[in-house]
Amino acid sequence: DAKTTQPNSMESNEEEPVHLPCNHSTISGTDYIHWYRQLPSQGPEYVIHGLTSNVNNRMASLAIAEDRKSSTLILHRATLRDAAVYYCILRARTGANNLFFGTGTRLTVIP
Amino acid sequence: KAGVTQTPRYLIKTRGQQVTLSCSPISGHRSVSWYQQTPGQGLQFLFEYFSETQRNKGNFPGRFSGRQFSNSRSEMNVSTLELGDSALYLCASSSWTEPNTEAFFGQGTRLTVV
Repeated sequence: DAKTTQPNSMESNEEEPVHLPCNHSTISGTDYIHWYRQLPSQGPEYVIHGLTSNVNNRMASLAIAEDRKSSTLILHRATLRDAAVYYCILRARTGANNLFFGTGTRLTVIP
Repeated sequence: KAGVTQTPRYLIKTRGQQVTLSCSPISGHRSVSWYQQTPGQGLQFLFEYFSETQRNKGNFPGRFSGRQFSNSRSEMNVSTLELGDSALYLCASSSWTEPNTEAFFGQGTRLTVV
């Protein structure tokens, strides 16, 4: 699977929007971009995924660059519950279900 | 719908012993993957099972093994435990293997080897 690069940590004030960036310059045309997050003392939790177009769901939005070499996870109003490690993962069409987690971005939400 | 269930939640074993961890996937899910999480190495893929067949394996020694039963429940086994095997072991289930499929994780089993 292609590699992703994320900042180690970010901070946000509560109730403000958060933009979490991810670079994936070696992405192939059929790779999906997935985001997961891991809250303290819990297993990872799916957030959102997309291929080419921007995506929205109840948790977040995913903005994908036109050349697909980067993407941004957007939390519209950060809450204390959003404090977690966020992982950006590329999934190839290999028929395999193994996720390659990098180091992720640790998001701190300041009250 | 019940989530992914891992048992036990916590386990303490002695070096040299073996351990078996269990994972019950979401009903109807046929793919089960296992991961090891440690502070030093982060989340690392162990292996994946689909319809009772191991499809992929990560870079772990042969002491780590697993299996999947006909009801999709999976077990992983670690033999001859070492101190470095202390970790959070996570199981994830998916309905299919397509890259646009999300994975659902359990809360994990915290294994401590003393």
